[in-house]
Amino acid sequence: GEDVEQSLFLSVREGDSSVINCTYTDSSSTYLYWYKQEPGAGLQLLTYIFSNMDMKQDQRLTVLLNKKDKHLSLRIADTQTGDSAIYFCAEQNSGGYQKVTFGTGTKLQVIP
Amino acid sequence: GAVVSQHPSWVICKSGTSVKIECRSLDFQATTMFWYRQFPKQSLMLMATSNEGSKATYEQGVEKDKFLINHASLTLSTLTVTSAHPEDSSFYICSAAKSNQPQHFGDGTRLSIL
Repeated sequence: GEDVEQSLFLSVREGDSSVINCTYTDSSSTYLYWYKQEPGAGLQLLTYIFSNMDMKQDQRLTVLLNKKDKHLSLRIADTQTGDSAIYFCAEQNSGGYQKVTFGTGTKLQVIP
Repeated sequence: GAVVSQHPSWVICKSGTSVKIECRSLDFQATTMFWYRQFPKQSLMLMATSNEGSKATYEQGVEKDKFLINHASLTLSTLTVTSAHPEDSSFYICSAAKSNQPQHFGDGTRLSIL
């Protein structure tokens, strides 16, 4: 089945850039997502990229997709303490039910 | 943007109670709704996928008699946890999507069974 992998933890200093990486195995992905989850809260969709795109930028967020290597990354510029959360990468396949598979989540710690 | 509302946000019940969670797409008609479960410090696991008017498709290992899913309309799906026990305590999240469109997630329901 599909598999989505992320590193578990990332720590950066406030003001630095954060780069969270994700690899996936499904070659028939349509959409790839980045979600943010703060403690005790639901998922917040940060951004998503269609599988025929290489890059998408939205304010401080830059998503890069290397479809050949099945590698997705999220760069957060000028990381703030409010960015501390768990970030989930997810991929949606092109099958009939459009199943979304989530990664393990990366906990981002921003040090003031 | 697309809004998905989930209700209730948090429910605490005694063991043996059945609990119903609602998921509504407020501003679009969802052809498909999904139910996920998240244990503490873990990722989301898909439980089942449902299309309006048809039976839900459950993932392997998910008991369909335990987790009843009803998708009566294009804007409403319900998940009923029957005879809930402490091990059913978890965070349940729904999502809704139009055909070939990104999924939009609700805020989740925290279920605590005493």
